[in-house]
Amino acid sequence: DIQLTQSPSSLSASVGDRVTITCRASQNINNYLNWYQRQPGKAPKLLIFAASSLHSGVPSRFSGSGSGTDFALTISSLQPEDFATYYCQQSYSYTYSRPMYTFGQGTRLEIK
Amino acid sequence: EVHLVESGGDVVRPGGSLRLSCRTSGFTFGNFGINWVRQRPGKGLEWVSAITWNGENTGYADSVKGRFTISRDNAKNSVYLQMNSLRAEDSALYHCARQGYFGGDLQALYAFDMWGQGTMVTVAS
Repeated sequence: DIQLTQSPSSLSASVGDRVTITCRASQNINNYLNWYQRQPGKAPKLLIFAASSLHSGVPSRFSGSGSGTDFALTISSLQPEDFATYYCQQSYSYTYSRPMYTFGQGTRLEIK
Repeated sequence: EVHLVESGGDVVRPGGSLRLSCRTSGFTFGNFGINWVRQRPGKGLEWVSAITWNGENTGYADSVKGRFTISRDNAKNSVYLQMNSLRAEDSALYHCARQGYFGGDLQALYAFDMWGQGTMVTVAS
């Protein structure tokens, strides 16, 4: 099974900072990598699909990059509402006959 | 507006059973695969199970395989998760999530574009 490893596990930053979270896959997954944001008490929200495509309604300060095994989520200028936990997810292992996914362990972004 | 609403969470004893429901509205339910994702207290998101748009195929995480069964009723716009032989480690907030199609080259690329708020399952004696 494909494993995803995020780093760091937690991160402290200030409003206005630029931050980058990385996600490494245990094998090549091309660009089948999505990013989600989980704010406390709210349902997870899709931010980025296909490694670098911004989902509808997501602010442009969020961006994704990478392909193969190494991926990154960057927030260009942190806003107060961005302090949350972020997860990567791979959909490369999904097939119609055997649907399955994997999430990374999460990165908690905290206010410094 | 798209809505997914989970229900059925409860406190149950180890070895017990529970059936979760996910009622949806605001989209053509029969066109979408649906997934269950859980979050244990203090832990991250864990994919649990998936069902294709027509119910023909299902998938399960190794941690629940053989104990959980996902099903759907397209006439009721609903997905279900039958949970048997429950363990303490199954205690979690369970979300259902819509599987959106986002293109793809050699194979389809999916992401979970809409989520419910979740229903809490506690397994304790």
